[in-house]
Formats: sequence, C-alpha cells, structure tokens
Amino acid sequence: NAGVTQTPKFRVLKTGQSMTLLCAQDMNHEYMYWYRQDPGMGLRLIHYSVGEGTTAKGEVPDGYNVSRLKKQNFLLGLESAAPSQTSVYFCASSYTGLAALEQFFGPGTRLTVL
Amino acid sequence: QKEVEQDPGPLSVPEGAIVSLNCTYSNSAFQYFMWYRQYSRKGPELLMYTYSSGNKEDGRFTAQVDKSSKYISLFIRDSQPSDSATYLCAVNTGNQFYFGTGTSLTVIP
Repeated sequence: NAGVTQTPKFRVLKTGQSMTLLCAQDMNHEYMYWYRQDPGMGLRLIHYSVGEGTTAKGEVPDGYNVSRLKKQNFLLGLESAAPSQTSVYFCASSYTGLAALEQFFGPGTRLTVL
Repeated sequence: QKEVEQDPGPLSVPEGAIVSLNCTYSNSAFQYFMWYRQYSRKGPELLMYTYSSGNKEDGRFTAQVDKSSKYISLFIRDSQPSDSATYLCAVNTGNQFYFGTGTSLTVIP
C-alpha cells in the first residue's frame, strides 16, 4: 500500500497563477484533510472532508478551494496564488469515529509563491 | 490567541535522559489530546492520544493531561537518538483539529 501520496512534491508559482494539489489515499479512509505548515505557526487545517462529495472549512480556508469527487482523492486548489500561501502543504486521511484521531499524513508539497 | 501553545525549543538532551514536552490549550471543549512525531521533511505520525485527565503509557512514552489547568505533557524515558524529531501536540473537538507549533528535540549519542 502506498498510503497517502501527494502530487507534486515541489512547485514554484508566480503571484496570480493557479494550481491544484492532488492527494490520493489507498486505505479506504472516509475522512481527508488539507493542512499547511509554517514556521512559528504549526500545522493549520485548511479544509476537510468527511466523505465523498462533502467538504468543510477548517481554521484557515480563505484563498483555497477543495473538491472530493472520489473517495480516494482530495484536491486543493489555489485560484490566484499569493506570496502568503508559500508553505508546506500536507494532506492527511483517517477512518471515522475515534479512529479519526489517527491521521495518516502524506509526504508534503513544498510550494513557493514569488 | 492560538488554541494550543507549545514551547518550540529547540531541546537538546544526552542519550538516556528523560524528556518533558509541554503544551497548554485554551478551550475546555477540547475532548481528545494527541501527540504526533514529525521527522525532518516527513509528514507527522501519531504517537498516542488521551481522553481524560491522568496518564497514559506506551513503552517509553507517557502522555499526561491535566484538564483543570489545560496542560498537556509528553514524557520520554531513556531517550534515544532515534527520538530526535519535532513533537507536535494536538487537540480536537468534532472534526476540527488544532496543532501546536512543535518542539524540536535532539538526542545526542
């Protein structure tokens, strides 16, 4: 099993450009999450999904959109990238209920916005 | 004010030392308390979680929660060089998770 994979691993964007980050999991998890990790700020939840076709806002959702069209995939979109969105982005997935406390994280995507 | 506050360190200890990592949280509604470990350039992985006040032990690791003072601790006994990583505390309510900034730990052989 590959677990949680993220595409791409690295990306450099110019201000105003758009891009989509792809997260895929092969563990049949219901829940999926997108976080960003910044020095001094820790991991912050952007959006999450509790099942196929559902999405919800996390702590820092502004400037991002998400979609969960298939259970195994969770997409994070930046419509008009800003330098403040320079960060490391982590996707995670989990089972439901108490098992949701154990989130399985991907390797991260390092995004730089110039 | 952040939901979870964590001393960023860095913390450097000799092999075999007892390590204490601490967090405070602000909202008494938080139900579960977790510790994740993150190696450099990797995603975090769950070490353990607790629900009620008191201690929970797993091998060399002990998680402690004091809900009256909103204080979370992780103790590592007989620390090993392989324990060198960043340790993140986390709390949750419902589907919302809040992580601390992480404490960087180095165990020197």
